[in-house]
Amino acid sequence: KNEVEQSPQNLTAQEGEFITINCSYSVGISALHWLQQHPGGGIVSLFMLSSGKKKHGRLIATINIQEKHSSLHITASHPRDSAVYICAVRSGTDKLIFGTGTRLQVFP
Amino acid sequence: EPEVTQTPSHQVTQMGQEVILRCVPISNHLYFYWYRQILGQKVEFLVSFYNNEISEKSEIFDDQFSVERPDGSNFTLKIRSTKLEDSAMYFCASNDRDHYGYTFGSGTRLTVV
Repeated sequence: KNEVEQSPQNLTAQEGEFITINCSYSVGISALHWLQQHPGGGIVSLFMLSSGKKKHGRLIATINIQEKHSSLHITASHPRDSAVYICAVRSGTDKLIFGTGTRLQVFP
Repeated sequence: EPEVTQTPSHQVTQMGQEVILRCVPISNHLYFYWYRQILGQKVEFLVSFYNNEISEKSEIFDDQFSVERPDGSNFTLKIRSTKLEDSAMYFCASNDRDHYGYTFGSGTRLTVV
């Protein structure tokens, strides 16, 4: 069983829609990261969370430590948001354990 | 904004050859990492490095792999005798003292033929 599970695996949306990507983990963590990977392959860090909620522009990330669950929301989605969104957790040591990613496509 | 720089962006090598992947972490970062992503799969941890020594390594990081920080700026991953299954995207990352600055490089795509 994967230590970090994401859903959905694939997501298609129309421009302007509100999008939610979910992440559940089964290990104790010190932090959770949301990352974005574009088709070229590079990874960009969006958020690091250890509790509560963070907002950056149209992106919102929340975490519930008791339920071992985090969500990434995108408001007013745009085609340029199309990418793979990855949840990764830091557990025990400082390495990251990655989820399999959610592939998002936003159509105009 | 500070960046982690990786070179080359793409390398093709013959099976059995040695390759060195290079990374320049962010200058005031203290923790350095290598990850890899086989095509279509999730990113996997290879090794972490702190205070000039390996702090943790995964099962993937066997004797054919080694890491080095030869000077104050570079951080390298060497694969001694490449296999076809080493074909992957390799990411370098670095982090600051407080672990708030986890930053990835843009990756090196290694193709072993």
